[in-house]
Amino acid sequence: DIQMTQSPSSMSASLGDTVTINCLASQDIGNYLSWYQQKPGKSPKLMIYGATNLEDGVPSRFSGSRSGSDYSLTINSLGYDDEGIYHCHQYYEYPNTFGAGTKLELK
Amino acid sequence: EVQLVESGGGLVQPGRSLKLSCLASGFTFSNYGMNWIRQAPGKGLEWVASISSSSSYIYYADTVKGRFTISRDNAKNTLYLQMTSLRSEDTALYYCARHRGWRSGYFDFWGPGTMVTVSS
Repeated sequence: DIQMTQSPSSMSASLGDTVTINCLASQDIGNYLSWYQQKPGKSPKLMIYGATNLEDGVPSRFSGSRSGSDYSLTINSLGYDDEGIYHCHQYYEYPNTFGAGTKLELK
Repeated sequence: EVQLVESGGGLVQPGRSLKLSCLASGFTFSNYGMNWIRQAPGKGLEWVASISSSSSYIYYADTVKGRFTISRDNAKNTLYLQMTSLRSEDTALYYCARHRGWRSGYFDFWGPGTMVTVSS
């Protein structure tokens, strides 16, 4: 199975900051990587798919990138609405696998 | 508006069975692959099972293979998950999610989830 190693597990940042969350795939997954935001008590929301494509309606402050097997989610101009848990997900093959999640809090 | 609404969760004893349903609306259900994904309390997401639009392709996580069965009724716009031989480690919030893609894909819409608690 493909392992997705996500880091950091938690982070705290200030309003207006830029933050980056990373996922390392244990083998090649091409661009078959998506990112989700999950707020407390809610279901996950798709943010990025195909490693770099912004889902409709997601603010342009969010962006995704890839360097080899390293995938990143970057959030610019951090706002309070960005708090939550972020999950990466590979859909290159079955079984689909998720990273362990990154909890983002604002100071 | 795309909507997915799960039902059928509850408290069940170890070794017993439970069947979850997910009613879809707002899109042509028969055109999309569907999935069950679960989240144990305070834990991350775990993909459970996937079924293609016409039920031709079905995949399971090793943790549920042989115990869970995913199915769908396109005439009723409904996805199912039959769970047997339930274990305490199956306790989780179960989401149904639509995927965009061919056999596999990213999950563009999720339901609110239905809670399954396996305990004596």
